[in-house]
Amino acid sequence: DIQMAQSPSSLSASVGDRVTIICRTSQSVSSYLNWYQHKPGKAPKLLVYGATSLQSRVPSRFSGSGYGTDFTLTINSLQPEDFATYFCQQTYVAPFTFGPGTKVDVK
Amino acid sequence: EVQLVESGGDLVEPGGSLRLSCAGSGFTFSSFAMSWVRQAPGKGLEWVSDVSGDGVGTYYADSVKGRATISRDNSKKTLYLQMSSLRVEDTAIYYCAKSPLKYTGYDYIDYWGQGTLVTVSS
Repeated sequence: DIQMAQSPSSLSASVGDRVTIICRTSQSVSSYLNWYQHKPGKAPKLLVYGATSLQSRVPSRFSGSGYGTDFTLTINSLQPEDFATYFCQQTYVAPFTFGPGTKVDVK
Repeated sequence: EVQLVESGGDLVEPGGSLRLSCAGSGFTFSSFAMSWVRQAPGKGLEWVSDVSGDGVGTYYADSVKGRATISRDNSKKTLYLQMSSLRVEDTAIYYCAKSPLKYTGYDYIDYWGQGTLVTVSS
């Protein structure tokens, strides 16, 4: 199975900050890496698919990069509604594992 | 508008069984692969199972393999997850999720349901 690691596991940030979250996979997943945002009591939301493609209606302050085993989710100018937990997921090979998550909270 | 509505979550004793359902609407149900993803209390998201649009291809996480069966009735636009030999560690919110592709893998989840709570406890 492909193992997923995310760093940091949590971070504190302020509105307007630039936030970078890293996802690493134990073997290459090509570009089949997706990012989701999850808030308590709500359904998760797709942000980025295929490592770099922004989902429709997702603000352009979100962006994804990477290929192979190393991926990054960047949030430029953090907004109040962005405080949440972020998960990466690989869909290159089953089981389609999620990363452990990165919680972004208020500094 | 795409809607996924889960049902069937309940309190069950260890060793028991449960069938979760997910009714889909607002899209051509048979054209898309579907997934179950769960979140245990205080934990992250865990992928559980996938099924292709035609119901032929199925995949399972090791944690549920042999105890779970994913299926779909495309005529009823409904996804199912039958779980048996339930364990305390199966306690979680179970989300139904939709892929933008007919066959699983190399894809992503573009829509999620609101989830249904399964509690396994004596």
